[in-house]
Parts: sequence; structure tokens; C-alpha cells
Amino acid sequence: EVVLTQSPDTLSVFPGENITLSCRASHTVHTNLIWYQHKPGETPTLLIYGASTRATGVPARFSGSGSGTEFTLTISSLQSEDFAVYFCQQYNHGPWTFGVGTKVEIK
Amino acid sequence: QLQLSGPGLVKPSETLSLTCNVSGYSVRRTNAYWGWVRQPPGKAFEWLGRIYYTGSTEYNPSLRGRLTISVDASANEFSLKLASVTAADTAIYYCVRPLRGAVLQDWGKGTTVTVSS
Repeated sequence: EVVLTQSPDTLSVFPGENITLSCRASHTVHTNLIWYQHKPGETPTLLIYGASTRATGVPARFSGSGSGTEFTLTISSLQSEDFAVYFCQQYNHGPWTFGVGTKVEIK
Repeated sequence: QLQLSGPGLVKPSETLSLTCNVSGYSVRRTNAYWGWVRQPPGKAFEWLGRIYYTGSTEYNPSLRGRLTISVDASANEFSLKLASVTAADTAIYYCVRPLRGAVLQDWGKGTTVTVSS
């Protein structure tokens, strides 16, 4: 199965900063990659699918890029509500697999 | 909207049964998929399986034939049965509606399942 490795594990940032999170796949997944946001006690929220397509209602400050095995999620001008765990999922090879996630915390 | 129900504690070797009631959407709607994922403590999410509106199913091979997903159209719900559970099956379980079979747009509120005697 495809292993997804996310980095860094944790990112400590100030509100207003721009950040880039990484998701690396062990085999090519083309652009079949998804990003989710997960806050404690809540269900995950779909942010990006197809590597770069924002889901309905997702603010423009969230953007995804990449193809093959290297993917990034960029959040511009981090807002207070953006502090959460972000994890990726591939859907190119069954079974679908997930990364462990990157925790974005307030510095 | 997805509403998950089921026990929070299951004994080893028993069968875990969870049900996800769907509102606002028919489980038999053309091209609809329904699925289950879980997150063990401190680990990544794990895709368990999905069922198509026709009733066809796909399961994660890692579950080695222990998983059954079914739909009850009369109750507009779908279910998970995981047999012969062990401590490794302890996790937060979620029911999901995957767009195009894989993009998890809708999630039910997770339920914590602990396998312990």
C-alpha cells in the first residue's frame, strides 16, 4: 500500500504567518491526493481534493499543489481558526491511505 | 447528515457492530458510496471499506475478511460488522460519505470503541 509521510510533525507559528505543509507518497499517486483539517473533538473537514481543488466553502488562503509523490498544502496569513491538525489521503491505489498529520499550533 | 450509533466497549473475540443513520440523502441514491474509517490512538486514519448504492462492497485487505458493510434501505442506514476483534481494533470509528468513492466530504461524529475484557 502507499505510505504517506507528512512533515513536519508539528509547526509552531504566529497568527498571520504563511505556512507550507508537506505530504510525500511512497509511490506515485498522480494528483489523487486530498487534504483535511481536523480540530480536537470535531470531525475532519475536507479542504482540498485532486491535489489542488478547493472544496466548497474553503477559504482561498488554503491552496494545494503537487503531483506524483510530492505535495504541499499552503495556508496564507494563518487565522486563529486554522490551528489544527492537517492530514493527507491518497486515493490512487486501494486501499486508500492517510498520513499521520501535521499539527499546527500557536507559537 | 450521518448519525453513528453503537457500543463503546466490546470484548475481545466478539463482533463489533456499528450503524450509521443517514438523513437528508437516500442510501440508494444513484452513484452514492458509504464508508467507514477509523483512527487508532496516536495513529493515522485507516480506511476500512465502502459500499456502493448497488450493494457492492470493497474492504481493506488488512482486515483479513473480518469486515462486513451492509445497507438497510428501509431504515436509510448502513452498518459495519467487524468480527473477532482484538485490542488493535480499539479506535475512534467514523462513518463517511465518500464523493466519487474516495473523497471524504461528509463525516459522522466519531464514536470511540474500546476492545477490552
